[in-house]
Amino acid sequence: DVKVTQSSRYLVKRTGEKVFLECVQDMDHENMFWYRQDPGLGLRLIYFSYDVKMKEKGDIPEGYSVSREKKERFSLILESASTNQTSMYLCASTPDRGLYQPQHFGDGTRLSIL
Amino acid sequence: SQKIEQNSEALNIQEGKTATLTCNYTNYSPAYLQWYRQDPGRGPVFLLLIRENEKEKRKERLKVTFDTTLKQSLFHITASQPADSATYLCALGSDSSASKIIFGSGTRLSIRP
Repeated sequence: DVKVTQSSRYLVKRTGEKVFLECVQDMDHENMFWYRQDPGLGLRLIYFSYDVKMKEKGDIPEGYSVSREKKERFSLILESASTNQTSMYLCASTPDRGLYQPQHFGDGTRLSIL
Repeated sequence: SQKIEQNSEALNIQEGKTATLTCNYTNYSPAYLQWYRQDPGRGPVFLLLIRENEKEKRKERLKVTFDTTLKQSLFHITASQPADSATYLCALGSDSSASKIIFGSGTRLSIRP
């Protein structure tokens, strides 16, 4: 079974801090994704990556950046955290760019910005 | 803009009955549709995928239909059990955006004994 591991289940940070959320997958998947999930809004795509050192903006990239130095690891960075970035953050992966592939999710990081 | 709508209110069903969840979409031509289950504090888990040229898909007690004319998918759980209580998300994928998909906001299902 694919395992997607997010480094923290809960995180509390202060406004203006630089925040790193880490995600690791163990199945040699090429694609990795970062979403945020808010009540009533569903999952919204922040950034995704098709390969090492490659990244593409999703629907809501403002205020975020990402890093993919190794195939198994995809990091989400909040450069200067703000209260409106309080949310549940979910990481996912798929084997490659083919169609019809289910996304494999981690259990999320619930981030609170005070 | 692309929009996916799921029942925003929670669905409460008596154990043993069939639960039916709806997913409607606009301004989108999906190549496929997926359904996920999400338990509180956990990430979504993939359940079923149906392609645009398929009308129906089944897996054990689950059935999904896909009507591209109505722009709607129905997700059925037959002989529902309290363990089926969760939030169910539908997601659409197109053939122009590889493995990138867009999600609905989900429907919370509660099965009472």
